[in-house]
Amino acid sequence: DAGVTQSPTHLIKTRGQQVTLRCSPKSGHDTVSWYQQALGQGPQFIFQYYEEEERQRGNFPDRFSGHQFPNYSSELNVNALLLGDSALYLCASSRRGLAGGNVLIYEQYFGPGTRLTVT
Amino acid sequence: GDSVTQMEGPVTLSEEAFLTINCTYTATGYPSLFWYVQYPGEGLQLLLKATKADDKGSNKGFEATYRKETTSFHLEKGSVQVSDSAVYFCALRPNTGNQFYFGTGTSLTVIP
Repeated sequence: DAGVTQSPTHLIKTRGQQVTLRCSPKSGHDTVSWYQQALGQGPQFIFQYYEEEERQRGNFPDRFSGHQFPNYSSELNVNALLLGDSALYLCASSRRGLAGGNVLIYEQYFGPGTRLTVT
Repeated sequence: GDSVTQMEGPVTLSEEAFLTINCTYTATGYPSLFWYVQYPGEGLQLLLKATKADDKGSNKGFEATYRKETTSFHLEKGSVQVSDSAVYFCALRPNTGNQFYFGTGTSLTVIP
């Protein structure tokens, strides 16, 4: 059973460029969340997708956008790159459950990440 | 808002020493609490979790108890090994919404 996979592993871009990162969730998972992890920091939530729609978003500008495909895989796009966007980008997949009428995620499984360097 | 505060590192211990990494949280209601571990060059791995007050999560000799009264979820291990050297992250998921909040991480180095 393949876990969460991400591509590419490393990426170097120039300020102002655009980048697309890809994620395939663990088998049986339907929800993908993206996180940004700056060096020496904990992951910061960017957004979450299920049923091919963005469901929740963290405090990130709209230069950060995403997409989820019918096979549950996902892309993260970042436009107009800034030096501060240099970070490890983590994808996490999960399976949704219902509790008290609310959709809840109980566990997340992380991919190895994509290291983005902006010069 | 919801947040997690971890003890600052780095922490250096000798093999077989006792480990405690403190974690406190701020959240309304009853969040779910997690500990993740990140080995060098890798993504995060779920270590253990607790979804309600007084629950104890455990895995690979690590334990943490969900204490509502002190809003804490401290990670403990009775005897650490060199292979436990990693960065440990405390995290919470609020009882509504699915955004996970992570602490800043605590780096642990275990020396032989």
